[in-house]
Amino acid sequence: DQQVKQNSPSLSVQEGRISILNCDYTNSMFDYFLWYKKYPAEGPTFLISISSIKDKNEDGRFTVFLNKSAKHLSLHIVPSQPGDSAVYFCAATYHGSSNTGKLIFGQGTTLQVKP
Amino acid sequence: ETGVTQSPTHLIKTRGQQVTLRCSSQSGHNTVSWYQQALGQGPQFIFQYYREEENGRGNFPPRFSGLQFPNYSSELNVNALELDDSALYLCASSLDDRGNTIYFGEGSWLTVV
Repeated sequence: DQQVKQNSPSLSVQEGRISILNCDYTNSMFDYFLWYKKYPAEGPTFLISISSIKDKNEDGRFTVFLNKSAKHLSLHIVPSQPGDSAVYFCAATYHGSSNTGKLIFGQGTTLQVKP
Repeated sequence: ETGVTQSPTHLIKTRGQQVTLRCSSQSGHNTVSWYQQALGQGPQFIFQYYREEENGRGNFPPRFSGLQFPNYSSELNVNALELDDSALYLCASSLDDRGNTIYFGEGSWLTVV
């Protein structure tokens, strides 16, 4: 049962344009969502997160939007740069007594930003 | 630089053997989690340790076990290796067990032949 899904395995955008990466989830208990970026031969690097009490969080060129009714979140990168080319993982967690804050990851989306 | 270091970076084992992977976390990070990432997949939670006690486990068999030490280092042990255990194993540490800020190491690539 894939509780977090990233349905687009890859995305290609032109430098300077917007990149939109999407993520869907099924577990309504999730209350915290994170995006990680991963380069080859490196571990995932934290990018940005959002709590379920918000619908938007912004950090520089990165903005995450959360639509709880649709169980959907998206990461916007504006403007996209060639150095943003990496695999992006969406992750979710919830803070209940039966959970320990473990992260449930999507399958990842490979972003390629062309110069 | 996340302050989380893992060793070894790459290793090859034979089916049936045992392996120990090591992780050194940032000072003060009393929560460590281990994840398995197969090719083309997202990381999957194996288990978490908080203050040297197991604090949650994913859908992995008992032959996956771990330890956390007072000096913020930890180990992942896998017994009776199977071919499907071939993956990238990631260690992640955080200040608490709420998953709010988690730092990953670069991982240990395990190949089982």
